[in-house]
Amino acid sequence: SAVISQKPSRDICQRGTSLTIQCQVDSQVTMMFWYRQQPGQSLTLIATANQGSEATYESGFVIDKFPISRPNLTFSTLTVSNMSPEDSSIYLCSAPLGAGGTGELFFGEGSRLTVL
Amino acid sequence: AQSVTQLDSQVPVFEEAPVELRCNYSSSVSVYLFWYVQYPNQGLQLLLKYLSGSTLVKGINGFEAEFNKSQTSFHLRKPSVHISDTAEYFCAVSVTGPSGYSTLTFGKGTMLLVSP
Repeated sequence: SAVISQKPSRDICQRGTSLTIQCQVDSQVTMMFWYRQQPGQSLTLIATANQGSEATYESGFVIDKFPISRPNLTFSTLTVSNMSPEDSSIYLCSAPLGAGGTGELFFGEGSRLTVL
Repeated sequence: AQSVTQLDSQVPVFEEAPVELRCNYSSSVSVYLFWYVQYPNQGLQLLLKYLSGSTLVKGINGFEAEFNKSQTSFHLRKPSVHISDTAEYFCAVSVTGPSGYSTLTFGKGTMLLVSP
């Protein structure tokens, strides 16, 4: 089965700094998705990253706060900018590696960020 | 818009007892439904999925779920749980965005706590 790897797996960050999370997929995919999982909460879609175009952000998320890059079909980055303690979450990268069009997603292990 | 309701935030059970985790969805169109499991400090793993066909679907680790269109439910069951089944379980429905791609909307999750 395909593998999605993320790094860092966890980090402790200072308020006001920015951190970039990397996501690598071991096969080419058109779409990649970034989710946030706040402590004790479910997953919320941040944005969709399509290679060669600007990311599409969900309501409540903006590019200035969560800039995304998608330089090729196997890689994406999510930056969490000007962090505050409210940004402490698990950030998960995902991609549709199964049958097309069903919405099935495979997930990375997640990047657990703690902002002090 | 599609949404998912997981009625129980936490389900405590004893080892070898049966368990049912409830999930209801709302959608005006045909749906694809999924159950994911998240073990402590790990990412999400697909447990099972309903795309079409038989309404009873079997997944990994002895879990199964039944799609009930009239009740808009997709409850997860296991006849005999193990300590190792302790994890967070997420029900999800596929959502097609305005650009035509599909992603997932998740329920709030149910924490299954298996004790000896």
